[in-house]
Amino acid sequence: NAGVTQTPKFQVLKTGQSMTLQCAQDMNHEYMSWYRQDPGMGLRLIHYSVGAGITDQGEVPNGYNVSRSTTEDFPLRLLSAAPSQTSVYFCASSPRRSNYGYTFGSGTRLTVV
Amino acid sequence: GENVEQHPSTLSVQEGDSAVIKCTYSDSASNYFPWYKQELGKRPQLIIDIRSNVGEKKDQRIAVTLNKTAKHFSLHITETQPEDSAVYFCAAGEPNTPLVFGKGTRLSVIA
Repeated sequence: NAGVTQTPKFQVLKTGQSMTLQCAQDMNHEYMSWYRQDPGMGLRLIHYSVGAGITDQGEVPNGYNVSRSTTEDFPLRLLSAAPSQTSVYFCASSPRRSNYGYTFGSGTRLTVV
Repeated sequence: GENVEQHPSTLSVQEGDSAVIKCTYSDSASNYFPWYKQELGKRPQLIIDIRSNVGEKKDQRIAVTLNKTAKHFSLHITETQPEDSAVYFCAAGEPNTPLVFGKGTRLSVIA
């Protein structure tokens, strides 16, 4: 059981470039989500999914897209990177959409220059 | 939507002393309250959680209390050790909605 796997661990992008952060879980979890973590701001929700084919926006969705074609995978796409998207990104999953703890991936540290 | 306030933002204690971190939430529909510990450069990890039908829960040196009337919950760490140094996040969850996290408390345990 690998848990929640995120790739890459580190990435540097130029302004305007696009990329996809990968997230995969092997626990058959129904719920998956993406958070960004900035100093002093805690964990802010970007997008989430309650099952394959279903996604919804969180608190800070602008500039990001997601899709959930399988239960296991939940990639996060940056459409046109901006310096404001410099952050640490965490993917999290849970067996149920509510009343249950999240398992986090190890994070992706993204720098946009 | 839900809003979670966490205090203090930083906390320093002497080894062996107790540490208390407090959170308040705004939505009375919230019924799940987990706490996460994040060591430097690592992922957040669930350390304890409580549901709204329980007032207190303990796990060794860690305890969480919940006051539904006042809409606040607290994390208590007794006999602190240097390895307790980390950032701690509280969160609140309503049925069928994602968790909302507090901004975190950086705990330093001084040997």
